[in-house]
Amino acid sequence: QVQLVQSGAEVKRPGSSVKVSCKSSGGSFRSYGLNWVRQAPGQGLEWIGGIIPLFTTTKYAQKLQYRVTINADDSTNTAYMELRSLRSEDTAVYYCARAGVRGELTVFFDHWGQGTPVTVSS
Amino acid sequence: DIQMTQSPSTLSASVGDRVTITCRASQTISTWLAWYQQKPGKAPKLLIYKASRLENGVPFRFSGSGSGTEFTLTISSLQPDDFATYYCQEYNSDFFTFGPGTTVDLK
Repeated sequence: QVQLVQSGAEVKRPGSSVKVSCKSSGGSFRSYGLNWVRQAPGQGLEWIGGIIPLFTTTKYAQKLQYRVTINADDSTNTAYMELRSLRSEDTAVYYCARAGVRGELTVFFDHWGQGTPVTVSS
Repeated sequence: DIQMTQSPSTLSASVGDRVTITCRASQTISTWLAWYQQKPGKAPKLLIYKASRLENGVPFRFSGSGSGTEFTLTISSLQPDDFATYYCQEYNSDFFTFGPGTTVDLK
């Protein structure tokens, strides 16, 4: 059974960076796309970007592409999302989510991590 | 970019009611649409993909239909566990877009 376990809550200052991890178990880590989605307090879902570890293919939302980096470590079945130059508007719960089709990135998400709250405040 | 809208934004219903949520895309997306259920403080859960395919383990009271630009999620008989927020998501484009969500609450 696929499980995605994320790192813990973060509190950051404006202008700093945050790196959130997502460790996968129970499935083929390299063959499935791993995406990141965030949800600001009381708001809807926003796709950030994703990676297929097998191909090291990455894709980012245009709004965040210059501030975000997503990578993956095959040796530990862990994906990472780093967001730089943090602003108060980046305060959100950040989720990792696995793509539902092997070898694809831009599809539906069939497994989700538990979420990592990130608070940006001075 | 494809824009997604959902209606209604909030739906008040009773246990046993038939509930229908509509999702519209700003351009045709064939059947590349998914539906998720989210409860407070929890991650979203996949219900439906490719507009009408039920994810494994999801109760049969959930169904999806539609193609092109208009889609519906139907709960045939609302159960206590179904009070939640529902999101549609298009995956036709290279960049995902989610709908704004529909909250189903107790009448």
